[in-house]
Amino acid sequence: DGGITQSPKYLFRKEGQNVTLSCEQNLNHDAMYWYRQDPGQGLRLIYYSQIVNDFQKGDIAEGYSVSREKKESFPLTVTSAQKNPTAFYLCASSIVRQGALRDYGYTFGSGTRLTVV
Amino acid sequence: GDSVTQMEGPVTLSEEACLTINCTYTATGYPSLFWYVQYPGEGLQLLLKATKADDKGSNKGFEATYRKETTSFHLEKGSVQVSDSAVYFCALSEPGNFNKFYFGSGTKLNVKP
Repeated sequence: DGGITQSPKYLFRKEGQNVTLSCEQNLNHDAMYWYRQDPGQGLRLIYYSQIVNDFQKGDIAEGYSVSREKKESFPLTVTSAQKNPTAFYLCASSIVRQGALRDYGYTFGSGTRLTVV
Repeated sequence: GDSVTQMEGPVTLSEEACLTINCTYTATGYPSLFWYVQYPGEGLQLLLKATKADDKGSNKGFEATYRKETTSFHLEKGSVQVSDSAVYFCALSEPGNFNKFYFGSGTKLNVKP
């Protein structure tokens, strides 16, 4: 079955370290997204990509970086510049064509919980 | 700009009670509206959607009607179960803005046996 796989499920980061969260999809979706979710809060968009080798900043991109070298993969790096990285990170994907979001919405992964120790 | 406002939670109900979670939106065009559900420790799953005014989305006993006149998309269920305990997110996407959703802040539902 097609879907989005996020790994690891739990990740611990020491102060000053960079860590990379993996997101892989086999849905043949063109667009991929990273969201951050804090306890009791909604989703905030970090980065998104509509096509390979191209990506755009979302609302809270500072302290994060991404790459999109393959259609299937959209890894997120949480850098040491991100001062408060402890959160639940969600990856999503969607079809890119007119009406696709209306018809299908996003498909989400199961998330990675990042904790600073 | 576009936005979604949900009622704050948590909402605590007894099993078999009726549920309503309010959602209102602001949009410049004619958005599609969605409800997503997030079970503990998991990602979001699409629960239901509606793409035009007066459409009713339904799934697993949940319903929501797209009300353009009141810019609302309230989620309802006639009889909740313990297994419905989760966080519910209302969201919209604008036609033409192909790659962005606007999410509400989420409403946590606790159903007690």
